[in-house]
Amino acid sequence: DAKTTQPNSMESNEEEPVHLPCNHSTISGTDYIHWYRQLPSQGPEYVIHGLTSNVNNRMASLAIAEDRKSSTLILHRATLRDAAVYYCILTNFGNEKLTFGTGTRLTIIP
Amino acid sequence: GAGVSQSPSNKVTEKGKDVELRCDPISGHTALYWYRQSLGQGLEFLIYFQGNSAPDKSGLPSDRFSAERTGGSVSTLTIQRTQQEDSAVYLCASTYENYRRGHYGYTFGSGTRLTVV
Repeated sequence: DAKTTQPNSMESNEEEPVHLPCNHSTISGTDYIHWYRQLPSQGPEYVIHGLTSNVNNRMASLAIAEDRKSSTLILHRATLRDAAVYYCILTNFGNEKLTFGTGTRLTIIP
Repeated sequence: GAGVSQSPSNKVTEKGKDVELRCDPISGHTALYWYRQSLGQGLEFLIYFQGNSAPDKSGLPSDRFSAERTGGSVSTLTIQRTQQEDSAVYLCASTYENYRRGHYGYTFGSGTRLTVV
């Protein structure tokens, strides 16, 4: 399986944008980039996913590098409720198991 | 309901007893997954069901673990002769997979917290 690399932890101030990076240099042409987050004592929550183009939804934006070897999850205005572990995961048809790494623990500073 | 439902939310059992954990996926979702998460650890894949295909059981840690999915909907994860190391949160997820129409996000349930004493 293609691997992803994320920083172990990040901090951000409340009400400021947050850019969470993910490297996936061995990504294949059919791999989708998924982002999930896990709030304390909860199951993972889907955030966003994309293939080649940048994606926006009500929760976040996903910026995908032109060579697809990296991506960035953007939270436009962080709130305290965004404090969670964020996972960047690759998956594709025929190998749909989500393999969770250690993710990035995001701390929001009031 | 609108989400993935798991029951019970908490289960305390004695070592050596069998337990059954239930997952009700989102209606219409074709794929169902079981994961477990030990305290302070990451998510560990257990088993994956997709439509009528044979399940991917590659993540089951021992033959004490089994799972079935009846009628392409509800799934039950069974742990026989429970051990203390089985204590964890067991999470279920479902998604709709359609190779022609695209790829979708996975919805997780809130999990069953299993404690073996």
